[in-house]
Amino acid sequence: AQSVSQHNHHVILSEAASLELGCNYSYGGTVNLFWYVQYPGQHLQLLLKYFSGDPLVKGIKGFEAEFIKSKFSFNLRKPSVQWSDTAEYFCAVNTNAGKSTFGDGTTLTVKP
Amino acid sequence: KAGVTQTPRYLIKTRGQQVTLSCSPISGHRSVSWYQQTPGQGLQFLFEYFSETQRNKGNFPGRFSGRQFSNSRSEMNVSTLELGDSALYLCASSSDSDRYGYTFGSGTRLTVV
Repeated sequence: AQSVSQHNHHVILSEAASLELGCNYSYGGTVNLFWYVQYPGQHLQLLLKYFSGDPLVKGIKGFEAEFIKSKFSFNLRKPSVQWSDTAEYFCAVNTNAGKSTFGDGTTLTVKP
Repeated sequence: KAGVTQTPRYLIKTRGQQVTLSCSPISGHRSVSWYQQTPGQGLQFLFEYFSETQRNKGNFPGRFSGRQFSNSRSEMNVSTLELGDSALYLCASSSDSDRYGYTFGSGTRLTVV
């Protein structure tokens, strides 16, 4: 069975710092990869996705992620975080229709 | 377009009772997936329904069941509730054309006492 590992459970950054959240998955076949975000008091929403093609994908609010197939990784990045980026971030792998496997999530706290 | 609607938002049930949760997906989405979210276990996949058929199933006991109607609306049912069933239950709709990127509902917070 596939699994998803997010390396950091809680990350604390100051505004304008750069962000990188790690995500590794275990699955040998073709995958669809996603990052979701849950802002305080809001429901989960899709941040960005990778299906195929350019391994560097851009999402909403200045986020981007890079798919490295050889490392089974899909790390999330943002050059300069804002206080409003405080949220919980989930990496997910889809390998079978409407079934996705989620990582445990990373809580990001951005200090103003 | 309207989002994913889950009802009710909150439920308090007694151990041993049963509960039914409802989910209306985004118009045009035929796949509806259900997840259980808890602080200790994170997001755990329950099942997925597509065109009124269960297409994928997670590792939950048979007390957890679901169905989907012809209009793609879905319900999940939990019978003989246990204290450990207390969780946020999330519904997500998706489509093959979007490679199953989810649109989530706000969830139903179930508390079993």
